[in-house]
Amino acid sequence: QVQLQESGPGLVKPSETLSLTCAVSGGPVSSYYWSWVRQPPGGGLEWIGFVYYTGASNYSPSLKSRVTMSVDTSKNQHSLTLTSVTAADTAVYYCARLTWGSFDIWGQGTGVIVSS
Amino acid sequence: EIVMTQSPVTLSVSPGEGATLSCSASQSIGTNLAWYQQKPGQAPRLLIYGATNRATGIAARFSASGSGTEFRLTISGLQSEDFALYYCQQYNNWPPASYTFGQGTKVEIK
Repeated sequence: QVQLQESGPGLVKPSETLSLTCAVSGGPVSSYYWSWVRQPPGGGLEWIGFVYYTGASNYSPSLKSRVTMSVDTSKNQHSLTLTSVTAADTAVYYCARLTWGSFDIWGQGTGVIVSS
Repeated sequence: EIVMTQSPVTLSVSPGEGATLSCSASQSIGTNLAWYQQKPGQAPRLLIYGATNRATGIAARFSASGSGTEFRLTISGLQSEDFALYYCQQYNNWPPASYTFGQGTKVEIK
C-alpha cells in the first residue's frame, strides 16, 4: 500500500523560496508520475504540476515560472520548489500520485503560511 | 485552459435520499474526468476516474456518467459519511497536460 507524507516549513517569508518534500513508502518512486496540488484556506483545489523519475515534468501555466519539481530515487521521494512566494501562496499543499490523469493516492497535506 | 463548472454550489439532502451533482467542461474532454470527495481537514479521495469507473474501495452507491462536456455524479441513499465536498477534475491532453478542478459542490444535511 503506497503512502505519501509531505514535509516542509510551515512558515515562509514573502519573496523567499518554499521547498516541500513528499516521502513515498510502500512502493518505488520510479514507477509513477507524482504531483502537487494545493488548496488555499476555504478555497478549492489547484494543480501545481507533475514530475516523473526521469525528470520529465509539466507545470501549471499560472505557476510555471516559479515552480520546479524533482525526484530523488535514492531517498524514494519527490520535491516541490516554489520561488518568490507571496501571501497568495498560503495554502495546504498535497502531494499525490498521478495515475492516468487522476490523483489516486494523496498525502495528508502540509500547511504553508506566507508571512513576514 | 479548460474551465470546469460544478453545480449546484450547495446541495441539501436528507439522509437516505439520493443526490446528483453536475460538472461541465468548457470544451470536450471525452471521458477524461475524475470525481473526488473531501471531508473537513482531510485530503481529497478519488471516487471516480474515466468519468464512470469507481476507484478501488468506493461503495457502489456512488455512480457517475457523462462524456464530452457534461458529467454527473450520483449518490444513492446518502449515508452520514457522504456529507462532504465533491470536486470534479479534468485530465484532457495527457501527457502533457494541464489539469483543472471544478470549484466544488458541498453536500450538506437537510
